[in-house]
Amino acid sequence: DAKTTQPTSMDCAEGRAANLPCNHSTISGNEYVYWYRQIHSQGPQYIIHGLKNNETNEMASLIITEDRKSSTLILPHATLRDTAVYYCIVTYSGGYQKVTFGIGTKLQVIP
Amino acid sequence: EPEVTQTPSHQVTQMGQEVILRCVPISNHLYFYWYRQILGQKVEFLVSFYNNEISEKSEIFDDQFSVERPDGSNFTLKIRSTKLEDSAMYFCASSEGDRGYGEQFFGPGTRLTVL
Repeated sequence: DAKTTQPTSMDCAEGRAANLPCNHSTISGNEYVYWYRQIHSQGPQYIIHGLKNNETNEMASLIITEDRKSSTLILPHATLRDTAVYYCIVTYSGGYQKVTFGIGTKLQVIP
Repeated sequence: EPEVTQTPSHQVTQMGQEVILRCVPISNHLYFYWYRQILGQKVEFLVSFYNNEISEKSEIFDDQFSVERPDGSNFTLKIRSTKLEDSAMYFCASSEGDRGYGEQFFGPGTRLTVL
């Protein structure tokens, strides 16, 4: 799996958009970008994934650059409940794939 | 919305004892996983299970550990002769397999404390 690089921590004001960057310059053509988050001591939670097109679901949007070397997870209106560690993971899709978690980005939403 | 459940939420045991952690994956999922997270550290993959056999296991998953799907709904992790360093949160996860895109759904975890 390709390696990812994320900032260690970020702050975001409540109600504002949270933009979490991820670099994955060694991503291969058939690897997907997945995002998970872990709210304090809870089980990790799947957020969104994408291959090359931008994706949106009820939780977030995922913007992937045209060269696919980086991506941004966007939480459009951050709430205090979005305070968590966010993990960007690059891996093949479908079937069986273990998730290899890094350190992630600790997002603190500030009132 | 279907979810992965785990029992117990907290297990306290004496060093050297055996523990069984239980999970009920989402009903139509085909792949099952165990992860652990030592306090303050990363979430680590332990083992994956498909079609009643282990698909992959990490270096952590040695002979002390075993997994089983005893019936159509439960998925268990057995830890024999527990050690102090086995104290951690243990998360079960499941995924649809080839019918999905590989996203995994995690349970709330079991906190194992070895005294």
